[in-house]
Amino acid sequence: EPEVTQTPSHQVTQMGQEVILRCVPISNHLYFYWYRQILGQKVEFLVSFYNNEISEKSEIFDDQFSVERPDGSNFTLKIRSTKLEDSAMYFCASSDRSSFTDTQYFGPGTRLTVL
Amino acid sequence: AQSVAQPEDQVNVAEGNPLTVKCTYSVSGNPYLFWYVQYPNRGLQFLLKYITGDNLVKGSYGFEAEFNKSQTSFHLKKPSALVSDSALYFCAVGRNAGNMLTFGGGTRLMVKP
Repeated sequence: EPEVTQTPSHQVTQMGQEVILRCVPISNHLYFYWYRQILGQKVEFLVSFYNNEISEKSEIFDDQFSVERPDGSNFTLKIRSTKLEDSAMYFCASSDRSSFTDTQYFGPGTRLTVL
Repeated sequence: AQSVAQPEDQVNVAEGNPLTVKCTYSVSGNPYLFWYVQYPNRGLQFLLKYITGDNLVKGSYGFEAEFNKSQTSFHLKKPSALVSDSALYFCAVGRNAGNMLTFGGGTRLMVKP
């Protein structure tokens, strides 16, 4: 069964550094998403991406964040200057808009630790 | 704005007994409702969803959920719990296809032998 993959599984960085989290969505999916889950808190929506542009973003997704689909398979989340409060599990998801299912399938997550 | 409430942080049930994990939602327009399960150190796995049609939705691993529009609820159920069902369960709501999901706070299900 196809699945969303994410790399790395765990990223440790120093405050102020840039990080790029990588995701490979399910191959025939058209919508891509990033969510995050701070330890002990709810899963929160960050951004959705369709047709090479952001379709929706939350108030969390400020100028420090950006997303990109650099090629036909990868989908990345960049945090330009990390803060301590960016420490969280980041989940990538994808969905197939071409059918009525629209289920978002999630990857295993990248745990980001900002020191 | 849309929101989801999972009123129980933890549900304890004995193996073989029926289980219910509660979820209520608030959304303008027709809701898209989902249940996901998270095992330790794993991502969110899709269990089932309600888009339209029958109020009783059947999903993976013997789980089902009942959509109740008047009570704005979407409770997850299983007739006979297994120890392996022990995990964190999240209810989520969306407004439209390709739209953001809003998650509840999660309910930890503990099934004891």
